[in-house]
Amino acid sequence: QVHLQESGPGLVKPSETLSLNCVVSGHSISSDFYWGWVRQPPGKGLQWIGTVYNSDNAYYNPSLNSRVHISVDTSKNHVSLTLTSVTAADTAVYYCTKERGTNLATRAIENWGQGTLVTVSS
Amino acid sequence: SFELTQPPSVSVSPGQTARITCSGDALPNQFTSWYQQKPGQAPVLVIFKDSERPSGIPERFSGSVSGTTVTLTISGVEAEDEADFYCQSADTRGILVFGGGTKVTVL
Repeated sequence: QVHLQESGPGLVKPSETLSLNCVVSGHSISSDFYWGWVRQPPGKGLQWIGTVYNSDNAYYNPSLNSRVHISVDTSKNHVSLTLTSVTAADTAVYYCTKERGTNLATRAIENWGQGTLVTVSS
Repeated sequence: SFELTQPPSVSVSPGQTARITCSGDALPNQFTSWYQQKPGQAPVLVIFKDSERPSGIPERFSGSVSGTTVTLTISGVEAEDEADFYCQSADTRGILVFGGGTKVTVL
């Protein structure tokens, strides 16, 4: 049973960097799977942030591409998210995800963390 | 990238059939997945690769494709099916997109 647990500060100041960590249990992160992040602003829909595959192939939402970085640490079995120059528009619940699929076009998110709320405010 | 369009809301009586559509020009060439999200909870995958059901998902959930529109059908709707539903697709460049979501209300 795969379990994803997000952690990080719940409050970040505008223009600063948001950093979140996701510990994965029940599955090796070094396997051939897609790991990523999705966010959901309060009362709004889901937004894909990005995905990393095999530790060194990363895909990002074009609207966030210049500010986002996702990495995996196979020694700690965790996935990290960094989002720079945040604004109030980045306030959201952030979910850590594991995708299924044999290639880029067949991907679906089969596991989700419980989510962590990050508020951007001074 | 591409866009996916869903109706904001669908209402259905218990025992009836709910159909939720997701439209997009890219859909004839890409697979679609569906997620159910109840208030305060993380989404749950209910359909992947257009029509496949993950283990543990009731058979009343099914998916189909017709041209640029994919449809999630919930047959014999139950009160517990009331939730937000999101379609999602991904392209060969690695971009993943969600639809805007549909709120299903069980009357």
